[in-house]
Amino acid sequence: AQTVTQSQPEMSVQEAETVTLSCTYDTSENNYYLFWYKQPPSRQMILVIRQEAYKQQNATENRFSVNFQKAAKSFSLKISDSQLGDTAMYFCAFIFPTGTASKLTFGTGTRLQVTL
Amino acid sequence: EAGVAQSPRYKIIEKRQSVAFWCNPISGHATLYWYQQILGQGPKLLIQFQNNGVVDDSQLPKDRFSAERLKGVDSTLKIQPAKLEDSAVYLCASSLALGSLGTQYFGPGTRLLVL
Repeated sequence: AQTVTQSQPEMSVQEAETVTLSCTYDTSENNYYLFWYKQPPSRQMILVIRQEAYKQQNATENRFSVNFQKAAKSFSLKISDSQLGDTAMYFCAFIFPTGTASKLTFGTGTRLQVTL
Repeated sequence: EAGVAQSPRYKIIEKRQSVAFWCNPISGHATLYWYQQILGQGPKLLIQFQNNGVVDDSQLPKDRFSAERLKGVDSTLKIQPAKLEDSAVYLCASSLALGSLGTQYFGPGTRLLVL
């Protein structure tokens, strides 16, 4: 069974600082995708960044970047120059191909608070 | 491009009553998902449709939950009868790709409270 673990229930960071959210996963698959989703207090889940397991290069999207360590099954999210609008729940998620069926497996989330 | 639409946004019912949620995916998206998100947890997949066919409903409590996507576009999720433990946010998502690795785009969710 595939599992996703986020060991930090809550984190806080000051505006303009950098914060790293941790995620580990367990799978026997070799081809899969990893995602970080953001869920602000309004509750709309938004894709932050996506990483294909076959790519060695870490994905980046503006202030968001990942540190993907396939052998260690680790997928952390770094947020640089944190902004108040980054305050949200962040979910790490994992998907692997099973023909036409697919299921995102989510972690339990990390609540990030950006403070002044 | 319009996003995934869901209604209602909030619903309060008493246990043993029935309730239905509606979802309109992004235009052209073949795959539609319903997730249940209990407070403090990550979303859990209930059912996945590809066009109007079910491809995965292994985690759907079929004794009380049902879902349909008759014309391969809109979908409804029904709970009958509701239990207290069904209180959660019900998220609908859609993806373009017929394969399994298309990015999923989520709607705003329907928050259900069962009293």
